[in-house]
Amino acid sequence: DGGITQSPKYLFRKEGQNVTLSCEQNLNHDAMYWYRQDPGQGLRLIYYSQIVNDFQKGDIAEGYSVSREKKESFPLTVTSAQKNPTAFYLCASRLGPGTTDTQYFGPGTRLTVL
Amino acid sequence: AQTVTQSQPEMSVQEAETVTLSCTYDTSESNYYLFWYKQPPSRQMILVIRQEAYKQQNATENRFSVNFQKAAKSFSLKISDSQLGDTAMYFCAFMNRGATNKLIFGTGTLLAVQP
Repeated sequence: DGGITQSPKYLFRKEGQNVTLSCEQNLNHDAMYWYRQDPGQGLRLIYYSQIVNDFQKGDIAEGYSVSREKKESFPLTVTSAQKNPTAFYLCASRLGPGTTDTQYFGPGTRLTVL
Repeated sequence: AQTVTQSQPEMSVQEAETVTLSCTYDTSESNYYLFWYKQPPSRQMILVIRQEAYKQQNATENRFSVNFQKAAKSFSLKISDSQLGDTAMYFCAFMNRGATNKLIFGTGTLLAVQP
């Protein structure tokens, strides 16, 4: 089955630790995105990547880092510099330029800081 | 900057009835897409329907349809014959066609379908 997978489903972090959230897709999509969701708010863009080895900051990139070494993978690292990391994180992908431009989402990772 | 506003934090509807969720947006662009996503208790974001701004015809997907008023910058979602499985948070989203194609979301409307 084609789709987007995120792991782990639940993640707990201690203060001062870096943690990495995984996002993998087998849809052959070019573009990938990371969003953060907080209660009572819509999704906000953290980082996005249009092609391999290239990525750009979104609206709330501070305290986060990403890499895009493979087309199918776009991991997100939440660093200790992120002041309030407890949130639900969603990864999305899109086929690419000249297509339907619809983003499809993974099942998400719930991160809690202890 | 583009903004998306959903003015109804919560709504309720009886099973088999029809309900309309409101969404307004602000943009100076002319080439864009609008989306409705559904987020059930599982928290998976599911695409419900999409509308391309250059198309005057309102999009329809089975029981879901939109009323797209471009001049008024309004994009409402109508759900007909509501089912218990429609209970979810519904998000309206805007995407400007361009280099980033990033989505800008509203704050969501929590819809409860009552038996």
